[in-house]
Amino acid sequence: NAGVTQTPKFRVLKTGQSMTLLCAQDMNHEYMYWYRQDPGMGLRLIHYSVGEGTTAKGEVPDGYNVSRLKKQNFLLGLESAAPSQTSVYFCASSYFSGSEGNEQFFGPGTRLTVL
Amino acid sequence: RKEVEQDPGPFNVPEGATVAFNCTYSNSASQSFFWYRQDCRKEPKLLMSVYSSGNEDGRFTAQLNRASQYISLLIRDSKLSDSATYLCVVTLSGSARQLTFGSGTQLTVLP
Repeated sequence: NAGVTQTPKFRVLKTGQSMTLLCAQDMNHEYMYWYRQDPGMGLRLIHYSVGEGTTAKGEVPDGYNVSRLKKQNFLLGLESAAPSQTSVYFCASSYFSGSEGNEQFFGPGTRLTVL
Repeated sequence: RKEVEQDPGPFNVPEGATVAFNCTYSNSASQSFFWYRQDCRKEPKLLMSVYSSGNEDGRFTAQLNRASQYISLLIRDSKLSDSATYLCVVTLSGSARQLTFGSGTQLTVLP
């Protein structure tokens, strides 16, 4: 199993350009997440999905859109990139399970620079 | 005030030392608690869950104090391979497993 994969690994954009980050998981997980990580701030949730065809906003959703057309894929889009979106983006997935929190499995990250 | 606060460190300790990290969380409705480990320029990985009764996994011991809203991680007999950033993580009940991360505590174990 590949686990959680992300493409691309690195990208440099100019302000105003658009791009899509792809996350794929082969663990049949229901839940998928997109985070960004900035120095000194920890990971912050952008958007998440509790199943195919559903998405919801996280803590910092502005400037991003997402889609979950297939259970195994979760796409993060930047319609008009801004320098403030320079960050490391992590995708994660987890099982749907009972009352206890459960482990999230992370992809290797995408390092995005917006000039 | 941050929802999850950690001392950022860095903690520089010699091999074999015992080191403790602390974390406080602000939301009393927090349900589940974890320590994740993140190596430099890598993704976070679950180190251990934290239970009210405290739990141990080899050299690692985690404790939770719900009254004080405080979580700790103790590492005994530190190894060079323990060098990483340790992330304190909490989740709210019924929150679609949304994790709230602390900014991390950096540990370097020195030979």
